[in-house]
Amino acid sequence: DQQVKQNSPSLSVQEGRISILNCDYTNSMFDYFLWYKKYPAEGPTFLISISSIKDKNEDGRFTVFLNKSAKHLSLHIVPSQPGDSAVYFCAASATRGAGGGADGLTFGKGTHLIIQP
Amino acid sequence: NAGVMQNPRHLVRRRGQEARLRCSPMKGHSHVYWYRQLPEEGLKFMVYLQKENIIDESGMPKERFSAEFPKEGPSILRIQQVVRGDSAAYFCASSEGQGAWQPQHFGDGTRLSIL
Repeated sequence: DQQVKQNSPSLSVQEGRISILNCDYTNSMFDYFLWYKKYPAEGPTFLISISSIKDKNEDGRFTVFLNKSAKHLSLHIVPSQPGDSAVYFCAASATRGAGGGADGLTFGKGTHLIIQP
Repeated sequence: NAGVMQNPRHLVRRRGQEARLRCSPMKGHSHVYWYRQLPEEGLKFMVYLQKENIIDESGMPKERFSAEFPKEGPSILRIQQVVRGDSAAYFCASSEGQGAWQPQHFGDGTRLSIL
């Protein structure tokens, strides 16, 4: 049962244009969402996150949007650069207990973003 | 290098042998997580540890797999009597504190191949 879904295995975008990566989730207990970027033979690198109390978070060229009612989030990269070519993972977490204590992240299968020159 | 260090980067084992994967968290981090990634899949959570304690092992297979994070030294993921299906990339992550708002920082993984 895939609780975090990234339905596009790959996405090709021209350099300088906007890249939009999408992610859907099914578990209504998720309240924190993160995007990671991964190059081949390396570990995932944290990019940006958003709490469920917000609907938007921005950091430089990266913006994450959250639509709780639709259980959907997206990552916007603008302008796209060649170095952005990588696999992007959406991840979610559910805090639990009075002390918080989120445990492991639940990852999607990733979207391979290819930036065309 | 102040990042999460995993070793070895590649590990080859024959069926029935034991595999030991090591992870040194980032300096100042006392929370360690282990994930497994099968080909064409996302990362799957296995276990979350703090120093000398296993906090959540809900993603660990019930048999053959164990993890520890001793007071001194790296965290160890141990797989006994390996089988072909254990072939995967194993990633370790660490965080400074508890809570999803403390981003997990990942190592470059150990690629385990079972002959």
